[in-house]
Amino acid sequence: AQSVTQLGSHVSVSEGALVLLRCNYSSSVPPYLFWYVQYPNQGLQLLLKYTTGATLVKGINGFEAEFKKSETSFHLTKPSAHMSDAAEYFCAVSVTGNQFYFGTGTSLTVIP
Amino acid sequence: KAGVTQTPRYLIKTRGQQVTLSCSPISGHRSVSWYQQTPGQGLQFLFEYFSETQRNKGNFPGRFSGRQFSNSRSEMNVSTLELGDSALYLCASSLIPGSSTDTQYFGPGTRLTVL
Repeated sequence: AQSVTQLGSHVSVSEGALVLLRCNYSSSVPPYLFWYVQYPNQGLQLLLKYTTGATLVKGINGFEAEFKKSETSFHLTKPSAHMSDAAEYFCAVSVTGNQFYFGTGTSLTVIP
Repeated sequence: KAGVTQTPRYLIKTRGQQVTLSCSPISGHRSVSWYQQTPGQGLQFLFEYFSETQRNKGNFPGRFSGRQFSNSRSEMNVSTLELGDSALYLCASSLIPGSSTDTQYFGPGTRLTVL
């Protein structure tokens, strides 16, 4: 069975500080991993995804994530937070078909 | 290219009623998935359709059903609404059905409130 755990339902960072959102997964087969962002009253937008190949994945808006198989992790980072990064972030795993398993989300607050 | 559209955006119903939500995928996308999003449970997979056939189904009661039309548009129906059905219902479409590496594109959702 597949599952995703996002540590920290709420994360606050100062503007300009490092953003680190944690995601750990459980999967019996090699997973495909995704990070999505959701702004208020909107749907989910893909930030980045890992399928195969390079384990460090770069996404939109300066975000990146590293797939670490030994740690079953796929943490999301951004070197310098911007006010516009305030949103809900979801980690997701998919192994078969189009059925995705999402984490419970992390709400990011950026303090000016 | 237009994105995924969902109608209506907001809906208020009372317990016991039924509701139908609509989703139009991105042009060319043939796979449509539905999710329920609530503060307590997060995003939960409802079902996925491709070529008018339901291929995957999540762990929801039979009151939740869906269908897909030949033009890939999809509808989901919830009968005998309960207060706990209040949620944001998200639709997502993808180009390559059955591919875990494909990207799902989400619509803005339909906010259902059950009174």
